[in-house]
Amino acid sequence: NAGVTQTPKFQVLKTGQSMTLQCAQDMNHNSMYWYRQDPGMGLRLIYYSASEGTTDKGEVPNGYNVSRLNKREFSLRLESAAPSQTSVYFCASSAKGSIYSNQPQHFGDGTRLSIL
Amino acid sequence: DAKTTQPTSMDCAEGRAANLPCNHSTISGNEYVYWYRQIHSQGPQYIIHGLKNNETNEMASLIITEDRKSSTLILPHATLRDTAVYYCIVRVWEQGGKLIFGQGTELSVKP
Repeated sequence: NAGVTQTPKFQVLKTGQSMTLQCAQDMNHNSMYWYRQDPGMGLRLIYYSASEGTTDKGEVPNGYNVSRLNKREFSLRLESAAPSQTSVYFCASSAKGSIYSNQPQHFGDGTRLSIL
Repeated sequence: DAKTTQPTSMDCAEGRAANLPCNHSTISGNEYVYWYRQIHSQGPQYIIHGLKNNETNEMASLIITEDRKSSTLILPHATLRDTAVYYCIVRVWEQGGKLIFGQGTELSVKP
């Protein structure tokens, strides 16, 4: 049981390049999330998907787009990477889609992204 | 902004109980307290959560005060592998039930 799987684990980009971070979960969860973590800071929510077919902005959505491809997969795209997007990106999922859900979020091991 | 305050760091002797405090004086009646930990920049690992009753699972116990303004995470027999940053989080009901991470407590378990 892999849980939440993120690919790639590491990536270096040049300013202006684009890339897609992949996330897949095998727990049959409805909700999925993308967070970023910067040095010395807690995680901040970028986008989330409460259920298949829906996506919504979080606290720091600028410069990102997401796609909920199916129930298992939720991808994060950087269209034109900027140095300020250098960060560690974490994907998470949780069991219920309701905004009143108290089911815990389970996290992947992250993608470490550097933009030069 | 995080709705919790935690000590920046704590030490604990291996084999002893680790008691990690957290203040959340502005918590609302229907907001849950969650605890996660993060080891060596791995993904945050879920530990436990609760609303107002004390909770226990195979990893830890969570003690929530009656007024719900503070809580304590207890690791009953700390090991070296419990060295990590521990986050106390009040889960808000906006943005899909997002978790607002603060600075956390860096717990060092020493031999």
